[in-house]
Amino acid sequence: SQQGEEDPQALSIQEGENATMNCSYKTSINNLQWYRQNSGRGLVHLILIRSNEREKHSGRLRVTLDTSKKSSSLLITASRAADTASYFCLTPGGAGTALIFGKGTTLSVSS
Amino acid sequence: DAGVTQSPTHLIKTRGQQVTLRCSPKSGHDTVSWYQQALGQGPQFIFQYYEEEERQRGNFPDRFSGHQFPNYSSELNVNALLLGDSALYLCASSKGQGRYEQYFGPGTRLTVT
Repeated sequence: SQQGEEDPQALSIQEGENATMNCSYKTSINNLQWYRQNSGRGLVHLILIRSNEREKHSGRLRVTLDTSKKSSSLLITASRAADTASYFCLTPGGAGTALIFGKGTTLSVSS
Repeated sequence: DAGVTQSPTHLIKTRGQQVTLRCSPKSGHDTVSWYQQALGQGPQFIFQYYEEEERQRGNFPDRFSGHQFPNYSSELNVNALLLGDSALYLCASSKGQGRYEQYFGPGTRLTVT
């Protein structure tokens, strides 16, 4: 079963709006990573947040982590058409196990 | 500094054949992970190589095997191809067995007919 599950599965917004997507996971983690994928191409690393961090910023991206709820959120502010992509969270599957992707959130930003 | 490279870009094979995909990690990285991504799905972890050994493995049959070379590059081999093996195969490199950021290659699109 998937360790990370993104929510919602799909999101459609207008340029300039903010987009928020969430990730829930099941076991304890050392870190959580967010990736972007454009049209079935390779994944681009966006941000890594460690288990002892609660919030992290990178440009228009803001990631939060709540280890008590085993959840993370990715906020993209002032979205652009170029932000149209699928977004995945990546978490370790547990001690000594693989890194597990969720199914992703597909974001569509229209101009 | 070249990022992660994969070859070939596209590949068409027939059921029952065997295929080898190749990956060169980002400079300074010692860990290579392979993922299979079916259309519309998230990447599924196949296995991870570190110090030339398979360290972690996902839920994939033995038809999927790999190798890591002393220069940290890696190969993914799939035997007895099935139609269901058609997918985008992604290679990711990192330091220290994936505890840090993974950097992905562009992928190899495998089509099995």
